[in-house]
Amino acid sequence: SQQGEEDPQALSIQEGENATMNCSYKTSINNLQWYRQNSGRGLVHLILIRSNEREKHSGRLRVTLDTSKKSSSLLITASRAADTASYFCATAETSGSRLTFGEGTQLTVNP
Amino acid sequence: GAVVSQHPSRVICKSGTSVKIECRSLDFQATTMFWYRQFPKQSLMLMATSNEGSKATYEQGVEKDKFLINHASLTLSTLTVTSAHPEDSSFYICSAFTSGGFQETQYFGPGTRLLVL
Repeated sequence: SQQGEEDPQALSIQEGENATMNCSYKTSINNLQWYRQNSGRGLVHLILIRSNEREKHSGRLRVTLDTSKKSSSLLITASRAADTASYFCATAETSGSRLTFGEGTQLTVNP
Repeated sequence: GAVVSQHPSRVICKSGTSVKIECRSLDFQATTMFWYRQFPKQSLMLMATSNEGSKATYEQGVEKDKFLINHASLTLSTLTVTSAHPEDSSFYICSAFTSGGFQETQYFGPGTRLLVL
């Protein structure tokens, strides 16, 4: 069963704007990961944040994790049309265990 | 980075036939592989966990006799959808977990789109 909820379900922005997606989960976790999926394609791993970390950066991506609120956010800065995709958070209760995916956010970046 | 392939990428079959999907880790040994199913505009749902040399562990509600999983080697896992029906039409994605390097990361295959007529 899905434990993650993501909001918004859909987000449409203009190129150059920032996009923020949120993810909430229910159980305790070892790590939380964000993935990107282009329509009809496989998943691309974006970033992993461990439960003892609060913030992580990778290029234009910034992920935060608040374990007290059981929530995470993904910020994409200076968005590009090529960032248009679905973004999923996924949690792992232990290192290397099965992933439980959130419902996903469909991001559309308009040129 | 680690690469996982799936074959075929797309398959169309008649109702009642069986379809085999292969998942290979190309440049690393995967002690564990996971099989997910994704319906249109929905998230990924874990179907089963496959460990090399042992029986797969299925998630609740997934019929093990219908979705046969074989993890015969450290680089190959297969999912066979037996007696496929139109409701089995979906996007099937595998992932492989490596015991070395970034241990927490799963590497996903490109997916197999199954359409059962």
